[in-house]
Amino acid sequence: GQQLNQSPQSMFIQEGEDVSMNCTSSSIFNTWLWYKQDPGEGPVLLIALYKAGELTSNGRLTAQFGITRKDSFLNISASIPSDVGIYFCAGQTSSNTGKLIFGQGTTLQVKP
Amino acid sequence: SAVISQKPSRDICQRGTSLTIQCQVDSQVTMMFWYRQQPGQSLTLIATANQGSEATYESGFVIDKFPISRPNLTFSTLTVSNMSPEDSSIYLCSVPGTSGIEQYFGPGTRLTVT
Repeated sequence: GQQLNQSPQSMFIQEGEDVSMNCTSSSIFNTWLWYKQDPGEGPVLLIALYKAGELTSNGRLTAQFGITRKDSFLNISASIPSDVGIYFCAGQTSSNTGKLIFGQGTTLQVKP
Repeated sequence: SAVISQKPSRDICQRGTSLTIQCQVDSQVTMMFWYRQQPGQSLTLIATANQGSEATYESGFVIDKFPISRPNLTFSTLTVSNMSPEDSSIYLCSVPGTSGIEQYFGPGTRLTVT
């Protein structure tokens, strides 16, 4: 079946540093989404990407939809302690079904 | 985005029993999705629930184990039947946004089976 390979699996960084994580797949996706999940909460949508090459920002977050439609990355600039959490990429191959496939997640820890 | 609530927020259940999880949305939606998130893992889609039709289950999930109801456009339930410790997970419902592409999630139901 379709799979998303998300890396790195975890990151431990100093406050103020920039962070980069990515997702790759052997399949083509029509949409890429990035979510953040805090402990005890459901995932919260950060950024949605709808076409190849699209670069979108949301505050300190920037994400890009790869030209090949098989990958996406998320950057976080000037990290702060509240950035701690698990970040998931998710891809959609068909808008008809609405189904999302999730990456394995990147756990981010920020040291003040 | 829609406001989504789930009940219960958490529960501890005995092996062999069943638990019904409720998902309520503050607006009418055609599709609702149910996911399972096992401890330390990612989200896996269980089924898609459309109002007025049978739920569509993903590979590895069956209706006898996870029966779903969708009585109207703002509500759905997922039952975890004949539970075993392997069913200990967070169960999440989600609904599409206005574009029909992105999904918004409820807070989840944390289930522990002993």
